[in-house]
Amino acid sequence: DQQVKQNSPSLSVQEGRISILNCDYTNSMFDYFLWYKKYPAEGPTFLISISSIKDKNEDGRFTVFLNKSAKHLSLHIVPSQPGDSAVYFCAASSTDSWGKFQFGAGTQVVVTP
Amino acid sequence: EPEVTQTPSHQVTQMGQEVILRCVPISNHLYFYWYRQILGQKVEFLVSFYNNEISEKSEIFDDQFSVERPDGSNFTLKIRSTKLEDSAMYFCASSEQGYNQPQHFGDGTRLSIL
Repeated sequence: DQQVKQNSPSLSVQEGRISILNCDYTNSMFDYFLWYKKYPAEGPTFLISISSIKDKNEDGRFTVFLNKSAKHLSLHIVPSQPGDSAVYFCAASSTDSWGKFQFGAGTQVVVTP
Repeated sequence: EPEVTQTPSHQVTQMGQEVILRCVPISNHLYFYWYRQILGQKVEFLVSFYNNEISEKSEIFDDQFSVERPDGSNFTLKIRSTKLEDSAMYFCASSEQGYNQPQHFGDGTRLSIL
């Protein structure tokens, strides 16, 4: 059941540069999307969300873009910092699913000095 | 900042035994969830719970599993007759509303079935 896909398992970026993480989905009923960050031995930490009525949401260094026609969302982190090194998951749900989120496989981000 | 707490952090159990994983959701949240992540695989939804009832469950959540809110603060996941393939990280989450709301996760319980 691959309704949410993150095709890049890893990403390496220099400190201060932009990190761009991508996520694709197949279920057209999805109308709410989240990005989570996860450190080892910790649970996922909520970063930013977007509903399908918007195409962009910004919170500090994090911006999420949603392209509904392409069923694609991306997370931009600017500027990248060493503390951003973590696994990033996108997740999607539909209004009628009572909070059932489908997760992508995750992208490991490494921010180098 | 309020957080979801899970106990124990690591549980080792013999195959066939019953195990109870415990969670204390954020106090003003009304919706509760369990997810699991088998090593090397995706985070998978198990069940959502609201108003003392299951709202939604996945195909994984069969008769072997049950959830309960035994008091005003705890939310538990019981796994009966554990199998080797139940070994995973189990995450509890909670949210204020049931949709279009971020879910806040605990740090998980690592369940190891021997």
